[in-house]
Amino acid sequence: EVVMTQSPLSLPVTLGQPASISCRSSQSLLYSDGNTYLNWFQQRPGQSPRRLIYNVSNRDSGVPDRFSGSGSGTDFTLKISRVEAEDVGVYYCMQGTHWPFTFGPGTKVDVK
Amino acid sequence: VQLVESGGGVVQPGRSLRLSCAATGFIFSSNAMSWVRQAPGKGLEWVALISYDGTNKYYADFVKGRFTISRDNSKNTLYLQMNGLRPEDTAVYHCAKDNWGPEYWGQGTVVTVSS
Repeated sequence: EVVMTQSPLSLPVTLGQPASISCRSSQSLLYSDGNTYLNWFQQRPGQSPRRLIYNVSNRDSGVPDRFSGSGSGTDFTLKISRVEAEDVGVYYCMQGTHWPFTFGPGTKVDVK
Repeated sequence: VQLVESGGGVVQPGRSLRLSCAATGFIFSSNAMSWVRQAPGKGLEWVALISYDGTNKYYADFVKGRFTISRDNSKNTLYLQMNGLRPEDTAVYHCAKDNWGPEYWGQGTVVTVSS
């Protein structure tokens, strides 16, 4: 199966400052149809996960534009342009290109 | 979109449980559906996916041969039949509407496997 790794695993942030999370896959996530099925999820404390980004860089409906995704092949990044208090939580990447789908271990974002 | 899971509970190792997920607010029969679980204090684990018409099913290696995903499009309901449960299957089980990945998630149902 495809192994997803994330770094850092813990990310103390300053409100109003940018933040970045890296996600790497053990195989290329480029599918034969030309799409790259890489998702990003946010899980706030005590809540169910919420998808932020699909296919590397597409924001889901209602997701603030301070969240952006980029990358290709095996290297991907989630960026928060200016961290707000409501962004505290755990962020996961997930690949949907190869069966079985797999998640990264998660990156815990909290305020310094 | 609303997804409501049910059927969780406390069960002894080796026993079975069937989870259900009632879906409303979208055309259920047009969408693939997934199950994802989260053990206490741990990360997310993808469990299984079923195509919109039930024809294709995919599973995580750790549940192959023990869990079966199914759906009833006439009832807008997704199922997960779990047999041969193990203590390591203890988790919150979420169903999700799939659209290039798990797009919308339910609140989850808790499964505890313990003697």
